[in-house]
Amino acid sequence: DIVMTQSPDSLAVSLGERATINCKSSQSILYSSNNKNYLAWYQQKPGQPPKLLIYWASTRESGVPDRFSGSGSATDFTLTITSLQAEDVAVYYCQQYYTTARTFGQGTKVEIK
Amino acid sequence: EVQVVESGGGLVQPGGSLRLSCAASGFTVSSKYMSWVRQAPGKGLEWVSIIFRDGSRYYAESVKGRFTISRDDSQNTLYLQMNSLRTEDMSVYYCAREEGNGWFDLWGQGTLVTVSS
Repeated sequence: DIVMTQSPDSLAVSLGERATINCKSSQSILYSSNNKNYLAWYQQKPGQPPKLLIYWASTRESGVPDRFSGSGSATDFTLTITSLQAEDVAVYYCQQYYTTARTFGQGTKVEIK
Repeated sequence: EVQVVESGGGLVQPGGSLRLSCAASGFTVSSKYMSWVRQAPGKGLEWVSIIFRDGSRYYAESVKGRFTISRDDSQNTLYLQMNSLRTEDMSVYYCAREEGNGWFDLWGQGTLVTVSS
């Protein structure tokens, strides 16, 4: 299975500042035939199911604020939250769908400093 | 309204069995890839199983041979039959719809499975 490793495990950011979460896959998840990275990002708040934020590594889901952005390719990816808001406090997960056995990163907890 | 609602969780002894259900509305289960994803208390997300539109099924190594995913098209419902349950299977189990090529765009609220004697 492809192992997804996120860093850091947690971070505290001041309101209005930038939060950056990294996700590394154990093998490339860039599909050469369509040049797409098979990676999604989710946000999970306490007591709630995960919510899709981004797919294809950088395509924002409808309704997701544009302060959320995804970047990266092959094995290294980043989720950036520009200008952190109080409602962004959550755990964030990356997930690969390159293989049938979907796998998630271990999660990154984002808090307010 | 487009949604999925899980049910069937509860307390079961180690070695026991449980069947989870996921009732879908607003879309047809058979037209989508559908997965089960679980989350142990205080832990991260773990993909468990998937059923594709053509009915083919795949499982995480941790549950292979013990869990069976299925669907009832007439009931528009997804199932997860869980046998030989272990304490490490204790989790909230989410039903999740895949859109496109593999991201989960719709999740249920989850159903809690507790495995304890």
